Amino acid sequence: KAGVTQTPRYLIKTRGQQVTLSCSPISGHRSVSWYQQTPGQGLQFLFEYFSETQRNKGNFPGRFSGRQFSNSRSEMNVSTLELGDSALYLCASSLGDRVYNEQFFGPGTRLTVL
Amino acid sequence: QKEVEQDPGPLSVPEGAIVSLNCTYSNSAFQYFMWYRQYSRKGPELLMYTYSSGNKEDGRFTAQVDKSSKYISLFIRDSQPSDSATYLCAMSDTGKLIFGQGTTLQVKP
Repeated sequence: KAGVTQTPRYLIKTRGQQVTLSCSPISGHRSVSWYQQTPGQGLQFLFEYFSETQRNKGNFPGRFSGRQFSNSRSEMNVSTLELGDSALYLCASSLGDRVYNEQFFGPGTRLTVL
Repeated sequence: QKEVEQDPGPLSVPEGAIVSLNCTYSNSAFQYFMWYRQYSRKGPELLMYTYSSGNKEDGRFTAQVDKSSKYISLFIRDSQPSDSATYLCAMSDTGKLIFGQGTTLQVKP
């Protein structure tokens, strides 16, 4: 069974631009969660989508948004990029049918904002 | 104060040592407790999962949860150089995972 895939793996952008990251979950998984990982703040939850609806949200500004498609693939968008948005963005997929489901992480997208 | 506190280390031990990794937390609503391992340039992978209080053993790994003290631990017996990685504790009550900072472990041959 293929794992979680994320594209692109690396991205360089400049301040003020916007970026879209993509995540393909494990086949059969309906939940996709996004996390931001930085050396200073660690791994922080951004949001979770289940069956095309945002089900959970973390404490990030509105510049961070996401969506999920009918095939469970998900995208996250960051608008008006800031230097502090440089991070590893991880997505994780799970079945999503219980309060707790094991989450399987992708390799991440490394975003650098110059 | 963060909801989950974890000493970032680094922690360096000789091969064969017993390693103890710990996290404390403040939210008494947490019921699901996890330990993830993350190798460099990879996503985290689940090592151990525990529901509520108690111990769980899987091979060389033992996870302990003490909800009364809001304290969780991961023990690694007979540590190997291949165990060198960052270990992250994570907790949840609603399905949203809250992570500790991660502890970097190096096991020297």
